[in-house]
Amino acid sequence: GENVEQHPSTLSVQEGDSAVIKCTYSDSASNYFPWYKQELGKGPQLIIDIRSNVGEKKDQRIAVTLNKTAKHFSLHITETQPEDSAVYFCAASINNYGQNFVFGPGTRLSVLP
Amino acid sequence: EAGVAQSPRYKIIEKRQSVAFWCNPISGHATLYWYQQILGQGPKLLIQFQNNGVVDDSQLPKDRFSAERLKGVDSTLKIQPAKLEDSAVYLCASSSTGLAWNEQFFGPGTRLTVL
Repeated sequence: GENVEQHPSTLSVQEGDSAVIKCTYSDSASNYFPWYKQELGKGPQLIIDIRSNVGEKKDQRIAVTLNKTAKHFSLHITETQPEDSAVYFCAASINNYGQNFVFGPGTRLSVLP
Repeated sequence: EAGVAQSPRYKIIEKRQSVAFWCNPISGHATLYWYQQILGQGPKLLIQFQNNGVVDDSQLPKDRFSAERLKGVDSTLKIQPAKLEDSAVYLCASSSTGLAWNEQFFGPGTRLTVL
C-alpha cells in the first residue's frame, strides 16, 4: 500500500521568511496530492492540492510542486505570517471511488514574530 | 453553510469501558469518513461510507470498533471495549462524492482518553 513520508517534523521560521515542507510517496499510481492545515483543537482544512497532470500550482502565498518521476511533492509558503503557525499534513491518493488518502505524519510550523 | 458537527468534544473513560461518538456531516454530502489521529501522527482512515453503505473498512479493528450510518446522514462510531491504545482524536469528515479529489471537510474531532 501507499506510504507517505514528510520532512521536517518541526520547522521554525521568522515572520516574512519562506517555509518549505517536503513529502515522498511510494505508490506510482497515486495521482492526487492534497495539503491540509490543522490548527490547535480543530480538524484539518484543505489549503491546496495538485493533480498528477501538472507540475506546479499556486494560490497567493502558497504553492505546491510535484515531481512524479522522483515521487515527491513540496509545499512552499512565502512571506509567512504568525497565523500560518499550525501542523501541515501532506497526503497521497489515487483518484477513484473508494480510494482514500494516506496522510504523512505532519510538520509543525512555527512562525516567530 | 454549517460544517461537520461532532460530539462529544472530549471523553475520558477507563479501559474496557464502551464509548460512542456522533457525527453530523454537511447537508447533502454522500460520503462520510471516520479517521483516528494519534498524537503526533497524521489521520488514519477507519471507515468510509457512501450514503448508508460501507465502501472501505479495511483498517477498522472490527473486534472492538463498529460504525453505522443509518439513513445515510448521521453516523456513530463505537468502541467496545476500549484499550489504552485507543486514546486519540477521532475525526469525522464528509465530501460531496467519494472521488478523492472532492474536498473532504473535517469536523473538530472528539478527543478520547482511555485510562
